[in-house]
Amino acid sequence: IAGITQAPTSQILAAGRRMTLRCTQDMRHNAMYWYRQDLGLGLRLIHYSNTAGTTGKGEVPDGYSVSRANTDDFPLTLASAVPSQTSVYFCASSPGHHSNTEAFFGQGTRLTVV
Amino acid sequence: KQEVTQIPAALSVPEGENLVLNCSFTDSAIYNLQWFRQDPGKGLTSLLLIQSSQREQTSGRLNASLDKSSGRSTLYIAASQPGDSATYLCAVRPGGTSYDKVIFGPGTSLSVIP
Repeated sequence: IAGITQAPTSQILAAGRRMTLRCTQDMRHNAMYWYRQDLGLGLRLIHYSNTAGTTGKGEVPDGYSVSRANTDDFPLTLASAVPSQTSVYFCASSPGHHSNTEAFFGQGTRLTVV
Repeated sequence: KQEVTQIPAALSVPEGENLVLNCSFTDSAIYNLQWFRQDPGKGLTSLLLIQSSQREQTSGRLNASLDKSSGRSTLYIAASQPGDSATYLCAVRPGGTSYDKVIFGPGTSLSVIP
């Protein structure tokens, strides 16, 4: 593993089903993020984590939950998927609270809720 | 609330031209600003990061400037090539308690014509 890995790369999901998007990084970054990218709306922050054991809400957190049990993993869960959650989801990480911190992104998960 | 805009939304230029992409933000209290490129169906690749104390950063044919007082950043691409065709996004990391909530611009779609 090098950098950030997201899984799956794409998924078609029936409405009402539960789904967990996985994100793993091997850079020992403290901070991790989940974004969704939608045409015309750009990238919007869903949830973030400053460090293992802590999480926070972003701009569009409703319908999503996250956990940060360790430094490397930051899964995003849709408890009961709805069609409006059809989107491309990106996980990102950065070293931490420092003015020169740089964010690195995974390749994305394309999710379609039908 | 921090807002980030990018002009133009789309740009088409002949190969070899120098070009400038613009990014504006409403709140000058930022930690840093980062420029990314995104190829169709792919994740985001970091190009340049400018700290709040810096005025510019250079990498190869790319030069990014930052003017915090006017809330603007520009990405200058010299001698454009067809391989530069992509969407370019700027992202602002706010200061203070909103540090973790990086705000993205909508992007500029660049097409370099051979």
